[in-house]
Amino acid sequence: DTGVSQNPRHKITKRGQNVTFRCDPISEHNRLYWYRQTLGQGPEFLTYFQNEAQLEKSRLLSDRFSAERPKGSFSTLEIQRTEQGDSAMYLCASSQKSDLGNTIYFGEGSWLTVV
Amino acid sequence: EDKVVQSPLSLVVHEGDTVTLNCSYEVTNFRSLLWYKQEKKAPTFLFMLTSSGIEKKSGRLSSILDKKELFSILNITATQTGDSAVYLCAVGRYRGSTLGRLYFGRGTQLTVWP
Repeated sequence: DTGVSQNPRHKITKRGQNVTFRCDPISEHNRLYWYRQTLGQGPEFLTYFQNEAQLEKSRLLSDRFSAERPKGSFSTLEIQRTEQGDSAMYLCASSQKSDLGNTIYFGEGSWLTVV
Repeated sequence: EDKVVQSPLSLVVHEGDTVTLNCSYEVTNFRSLLWYKQEKKAPTFLFMLTSSGIEKKSGRLSSILDKKELFSILNITATQTGDSAVYLCAVGRYRGSTLGRLYFGRGTQLTVWP
């Protein structure tokens, strides 16, 4: 499969625990995005990278959230001291910078439930 | 404040009907508008529109953008039960010369009854 890959697909955690999600983008794509989606809402932007540089970060991203893309390939999103309000689907997407326009392709998402 | 508004939020039709989904936007530094289909998992890409008045088609689906009036429509003709999904509209801004973050609407939940 050559699409965007995310894991774990599902995570249940107790409030206060830390969780980490991993995203492997499409191999030739140099841009990687993280979004969060709750029921009945469209995806909300969290952050994105071009190669290893984090170019933009949403105000939604509190200091408990951190994302990295150390070698410009896969990325991790860590949530520290989880709260029930963090329960959502975390979507990763990737795109390729090109003059032809760069469509953003999404992974299957990682569902987080904080109990 | 940048925003994307979709209407209707919910639509129920019978197989064979034609539907039109609407998306209006107010986004600074507009670059493109994208439509996605979401079926209880990640959104799958349908169309990307950057120029006004040019219709994009894929089978029974088509879409067009009006950059003057700041809206787009997605048409689905001869609907089938497999078209049941949430249809998301997203607008991208320029970041340098390419596409930056996407702003999504809440989506239109389409249900097609047999």
